[in-house]
Amino acid sequence: KNEVEQSPQNLTAQEGEFITINCSYSVGISALHWLQQHPGGGIVSLFMLSSGKKKHGRLIATINIQEKHSSLHITASHPRDSAVYICAVSYGGSQGNLIFGKGTKLSVKP
Amino acid sequence: DTGVSQNPRHKITKRGQNVTFRCDPISEHNRLYWYRQTLGQGPEFLTYFQNEAQLEKSRLLSDRFSAERPKGSFSTLEIQRTEQGDSAMYLCASAQGGARGNTIYFGEGSWLTVV
Repeated sequence: KNEVEQSPQNLTAQEGEFITINCSYSVGISALHWLQQHPGGGIVSLFMLSSGKKKHGRLIATINIQEKHSSLHITASHPRDSAVYICAVSYGGSQGNLIFGKGTKLSVKP
Repeated sequence: DTGVSQNPRHKITKRGQNVTFRCDPISEHNRLYWYRQTLGQGPEFLTYFQNEAQLEKSRLLSDRFSAERPKGSFSTLEIQRTEQGDSAMYLCASAQGGARGNTIYFGEGSWLTVV
């Protein structure tokens, strides 16, 4: 069974701080997704990774396949970054079955 | 707005009633997914379609849950004889191709409260 663990569960930061959210998984995967969920439910896909590193604006996502670990970094954090960040993985031949972590609730204070 | 729309956004129903949720995916997407999310938890996979074919349904929570995508476009998720434990948010998502190589686009979710 593939487990996806995220840490921390909750994170409070001051505006401008550098933020790191971690995700670990237990079996080989074919892709890892970082998602952002705002209050009210809507989920937005931030990154889809299968190796290496991706950057979009102030967001950076990295993945280490050997260590089965990924990180999401936010530079120069802002209150509008406050949301739940969810790591999800797809693995093996399953094209539809994303396994989700429980999410990291981020609150950025002004 | 991701382009995936769900309705109704909120539904309150009495225990024992049937409810149906609709999802309209991004038009060119052949994959459509249904997930359930309860408070404090990540989404939980229920089922998915490639075009009109339901390729995985073993994760549907019970035989009270069923999903269709009759013409390979919109999809419906029906819950029969609702129970209080069915209260959750039901999320739909779509993608062109599979989850392992493509961005998945999520709807805003449909909140179900069973009283």
